[in-house]
This record gives sequence, structure tokens and C-alpha cells, in this order.
Amino acid sequence: EVQLLESGGGLVQPGGSLRLSCAASGFTFSKYAMSWVRQAPGKGLEWVSGISGSGYTTNYADSVRGRLTISRDNSKNTLHLLMSSLRADDAAVYYCAKSGSQWVAAVQGGSGYGMDVWGQGTTVTVSS
Amino acid sequence: DIQMTQSPSSLSASVGDRVTITCRASQSISNFLNWYQQEPGKAPKLLIYGASSLQSGVPSTFSGSGSGTDFTLTISSLQPEDFATYFCQQIYSPPLTFGGGTKVEIK
Repeated sequence: EVQLLESGGGLVQPGGSLRLSCAASGFTFSKYAMSWVRQAPGKGLEWVSGISGSGYTTNYADSVRGRLTISRDNSKNTLHLLMSSLRADDAAVYYCAKSGSQWVAAVQGGSGYGMDVWGQGTTVTVSS
Repeated sequence: DIQMTQSPSSLSASVGDRVTITCRASQSISNFLNWYQQEPGKAPKLLIYGASSLQSGVPSTFSGSGSGTDFTLTISSLQPEDFATYFCQQIYSPPLTFGGGTKVEIK
């Protein structure tokens, strides 16, 4: 069964750091780009960051660039998101999602396939 | 960055109704447009990819159309399990962006 399982969420103080992880199973992890998507309480979906299947290409939303770092360990089928200098507006449910190709976006060579597998989400709360 | 404008933000409809949701991109994205359904407290689910291709397992009552900057999601006959929030997303160029969402409620 294709599955993604996030972990690492929790309560952190403003300015603090947190590392999220996403364990993948049931597919060849290294063949697919991965993304983090977040959803603040009562709000819509916000794409945060994406990484190519090889891990060599990364992309970020303007709102998180320089504070969040995406990485992956293809030997362990795991995706990470290192979050630092956290702010109140970073509080959200964070989902990891699998893309349908090795590239995040079409201009990079990606296909038109969507994010076809999602984890259940992990909650990040930023408060003093 | 490419902005995605989705409308309406909410709508009320009855079981059996035909429902149409639109999404407009701030620049041409060819057909690199996906649609997702999200039920409360759950992760999003991919419905349509490539603007008009039905994801495996999704009922044929869902369909998508459009290219360039204007796209449409249509539910031909609304079912009780379709009351949810729908989001469009462009995957043409990073940062990938979502529309604001359309909440489909029971009339």
C-alpha cells in the first residue's frame, strides 16, 4: 500500500526550530518529487516547498524561503522539513505529498500528474 | 509568482444538481492544472490532473476542462459525499500555488 506518514509536529516558541519528517512506503521513493503543503486553521492550502526525486533541485514559497529547508534521504525513504525562526503564521497542519513525476513543476521537466498521495498531516503550533 | 483565482468561494446546492467551479491563472499554465477535494479534518484528495484527466478511482461525475488561463471543474450530479471543499493548483512553475478554495454546502 502506498503510504506517507508525517511526524515531528508539536508546540514551539516563536523564533524556535522544529524538524518534520515524512516516511514513505509502497513506492520507489527516489523516482518521485515530494512537496510539503500546509493549512492554517480555517484557511486554504499553501504549498511550502518541493524537492526533486534526486534531491538536487529544491523550491520554496516566498513566505518561507531562508527559514525552512527541505531535504530527503532516498536510502531511508524519508522526506524532511527543517523549520527555523518560526513565526505565529507558520502554525498549521503540514502535509507531505508525492508528485507524479521526478520533478516538482512542468518547467523543470515535470509531467502533468498531480500530487496523488498525501500523508495524514502533522500539526505545528507556534506560541509562547 | 502565478496567482490562482477560484470562484465562487462557496456555494449551496442540492443532491443531483450540476455544479461548476472556475479557476483562473494570472498567466498561461498550459494544462498544468490539478483539482483536489478536501473533506473536513482530512488530507486533500486528487480528483483531476492535467486539467481534464480523471484520477484513478474518482467517479465519472467529476470532469475538468480548460487550458491556458481558464479552467473549470464540473460535478454533473452532486452526491452526498461530494459536499466538501475544492481547490485548484497550478504545477506549471514554482512556487506551486493553490486557488483559495470553494466550499460546496448542502442547500
